[in-house]
Amino acid sequence: GQNIDQPTEMTATEGAIVQINCTYQTSGFNGLFWYQQHAGEAPTFLSYNVLDGLEEKGRFSSFLSRSKGYSYLLLKELQMKDSASYLCAVSDSNYQLIWGAGTKLIIKP
Amino acid sequence: GAVVSQHPSWVICKSGTSVKIECRSLDFQATTMFWYRQFPKQSLMLMATSNEGSKATYEQGVEKDKFLINHASLTLSTLTVTSAHPEDSSFYICSARGLEGSPLHFGNGTRLTVT
Repeated sequence: GQNIDQPTEMTATEGAIVQINCTYQTSGFNGLFWYQQHAGEAPTFLSYNVLDGLEEKGRFSSFLSRSKGYSYLLLKELQMKDSASYLCAVSDSNYQLIWGAGTKLIIKP
Repeated sequence: GAVVSQHPSWVICKSGTSVKIECRSLDFQATTMFWYRQFPKQSLMLMATSNEGSKATYEQGVEKDKFLINHASLTLSTLTVTSAHPEDSSFYICSARGLEGSPLHFGNGTRLTVT
């Protein structure tokens, strides 16, 4: 079967760095997406990785290793507004999105 | 960037009535649109996938006669919740995609409360 694993919840301190991991097992691979979802709101697109390596976008970076079925989202200089759920999703061979359950990130002052 | 507009943002209706939710891609042609449901503190749950001009594909356990989906154009899909019941109260979110493999862009969601 197809499976996406990510931690349920993480806690970090304002100003610090946090890494949210995502491992996947899917039938085929056409890219991995990270989305941010604040409570009560719809998800917003953060990043897309289809090749191995690190993609940096401001305070957020996303890494992919296809051979390991692994990705992480790195958030630097954490701000209180970064408190949200972070969703990992993989596009499989049929371009269907397989979603992880999301990681709830709690930022403490 | 790509914008998806979803309307209404919230709706309260009486049990037994029907509610229509619209999802529009404003600045791109959405060949595929997806409808999700999300209960409080739970993950997104895909309800159905619709491609323009064809019938929607429903996920297992989702009643196609209750959740009517129409994707009549490349910029508009609608979800109608028919004969709504309190257990249908949820957060409904649409998303749209252009080419296969491109990111999904989400509407702002519709919070449905059935009394």
